[in-house]
Amino acid sequence: SQTIHQWPATLVQPVGSPLSLECTVEGTSNPNLYWYRQAAGRGLQLLFYSVGIGQISSEVPQNLSASRPQDRQFILSSKKLLLSDSSFYLCAWSVKSSYNEQFFGPGTRLTVL
Amino acid sequence: GQQLNQSPQSMFIQEGEDVSMNCTSSSIFNTWLWYKQEPGEGPVLLIALYKAGELTSNGRLTAQFGITRKDSFLNISASIPSDVGIYFCAGQKRYSGGGADGLTFGKGTHLIIQP
Repeated sequence: SQTIHQWPATLVQPVGSPLSLECTVEGTSNPNLYWYRQAAGRGLQLLFYSVGIGQISSEVPQNLSASRPQDRQFILSSKKLLLSDSSFYLCAWSVKSSYNEQFFGPGTRLTVL
Repeated sequence: GQQLNQSPQSMFIQEGEDVSMNCTSSSIFNTWLWYKQEPGEGPVLLIALYKAGELTSNGRLTAQFGITRKDSFLNISASIPSDVGIYFCAGQKRYSGGGADGLTFGKGTHLIIQP
């Protein structure tokens, strides 16, 4: 069966520091991968998606970037964090098909102080 | 980006009652998904709908894809304490044939159950 991992689970970082969040998927090959952000009590906002290694599409211009160095690895980064980057970050994967059932990881709670 | 209109925003019900929530949009969606999220965790997929008019059940949960393709509802029958959480609808606008499309999410319905 497929599983999706995110780490760290929680992170507290100072303003201006760099960021690297990692997401890995097991039990599937060539998945579509996604990064979402969720503000407290709100719905999810798509940040990036990837259909393959090195292929990244950005949905929302911001202080963040994404990379996909391996088939089942997706990384969310920032060179300098802002206070407004504090949020709950979720990674998701889906099979390449006409149907887009997306399966989410456990999330990373990021607090920028 | 566009958001789905999900209602109600919150529900306070007694254990054993039935629950109904819905999502509407001014645009057509080709896929509707319903997720449940508990505090500090990622959303878990409950039901996926692919055809207009489709009615699908998952245990005590039933969801329908509206005929107009602009709405969907989720019903929970005989609610129990573990049903507590935030329920999100999500839509996808087009079949991407292997490409990737992000989902458009509603703002969620907070379900609170009083014993």
